[in-house]
Amino acid sequence: QKEVEQNSGPLSVPEGAIASLNCTYSDRGSQSFFWYRQYSGKSPELIMSIYSNGDKEDGRFTAQLNKASQYVSLLIRDSQPSDSATYLCAVRGRSGGSYIPTFGRGTSLIVHP
Amino acid sequence: GAGVSQSPSNKVTEKGKDVELRCDPISGHTALYWYRQSLGQGLEFLIYFQGNSAPDKSGLPSDRFSAERTGGSVSTLTIQRTQQEDSAVYLCASSLAQGSSGNTIYFGEGSWLTVV
Repeated sequence: QKEVEQNSGPLSVPEGAIASLNCTYSDRGSQSFFWYRQYSGKSPELIMSIYSNGDKEDGRFTAQLNKASQYVSLLIRDSQPSDSATYLCAVRGRSGGSYIPTFGRGTSLIVHP
Repeated sequence: GAGVSQSPSNKVTEKGKDVELRCDPISGHTALYWYRQSLGQGLEFLIYFQGNSAPDKSGLPSDRFSAERTGGSVSTLTIQRTQQEDSAVYLCASSLAQGSSGNTIYFGEGSWLTVV
């Protein structure tokens, strides 16, 4: 049983601060990792994907992957109120030959002015 | 099409009725997924199609749920004898062919189902 764990939050940060979102996963065979953002009443949209250990930066977003410790994180620099949303971590691997992504329950982020 | 298209966007049905939800994946995407998201909950995997292979139905919650994919493109999720606990957003997603776990999946806007 593949599991992806996230703190449900809410995580509240002031505007301009760094928001740090964390995710742990159980399947050591996992190969790709995704962060999705979901606004209330909307479908998830991809923010970033990461496949190798280390950091990957894209604008204000940085994804960090540590396969040995089985965690992946997302940092949002200079947080804006428009970043307020639920952030979903998704993990995909070759467990049982399946590439079906498993999603965490999401972390609610609130950025207050 | 440009993105994953789902219909209807909203559906209110009476308990006991059957419903059909449609998904048209991104052109060229051979992998198609159905997920369900209940209010305030995470994404629950339902079923996965990859090309002409037999679908992975391991996530379907009961035999009232079924799905098919015709011609390797459009998919229909059918819920028979709907119950109030079936009320949720049904999300369809698609991705490029299996063979790389890195292929990103893209979601449609979802079909909001309310069973009254």
